[in-house]
Amino acid sequence: EADIYQTPRYLVIGTGKKITLECSQTMGHDKMYWYQQDPGMELHLIHYSYGVNSTEKGDLSSESTVSRIRTEHFPLTLESARPSHTSQYLCASSDLRDEQFFGPGTRLTVL
Amino acid sequence: GQQVMQIPQYQHVQEGEDFTTYCNSSTTLSNIQWYKQRPGGHPVFLIQLVKSGEVKKQKRLTFQFGEAKKNSSLHITATQTTDVGTYFCAFPRRTDSWGKLQFGAGTQVVVTP
Repeated sequence: EADIYQTPRYLVIGTGKKITLECSQTMGHDKMYWYQQDPGMELHLIHYSYGVNSTEKGDLSSESTVSRIRTEHFPLTLESARPSHTSQYLCASSDLRDEQFFGPGTRLTVL
Repeated sequence: GQQVMQIPQYQHVQEGEDFTTYCNSSTTLSNIQWYKQRPGGHPVFLIQLVKSGEVKKQKRLTFQFGEAKKNSSLHITATQTTDVGTYFCAFPRRTDSWGKLQFGAGTQVVVTP
């Protein structure tokens, strides 16, 4: 079982609030990713990191930002949440074979 | 750019029947991975195929990588209700050497008892 954690699992907030979605892994992986996924739909890469102090935007334009100050920690922040941000956010990390390990996800609802 | 198509998009299967889902790429792939996502869950790695024509089995699941390394298939025999979920293929992006994967749109599988 992969050791990658996300909190909170569920979040319901009002428009305009600032939120941070937490992601941590204990596997020592350098590469980490954030995906956005609507129910039953495909995965969209929104951010990735190759290591500490390395972050890049993914394919899907996102108003969120990320940071990577420690190898094990890759939080995602939304400065001002909007209803269009309602979705599931999945964090993942990958090993040397590029096999990706996913966290349980955060289901975000913005009212 | 790289195009990948997973077919079918949806698959309704009677319990006990077999079915196959396909992943087709417009370009040659270095390797391909398969993931399964249960309803309400997160994707879980199933397998990676690397060699041309490679076939791997996991119990009732058979994975195959095409000879030209442009397509892959997942065949499930004697489908059970535990097979419900969405199956994604994924492969390394051609223009990227850092491990980012391109995921297919997935095949959503529903099993009726």
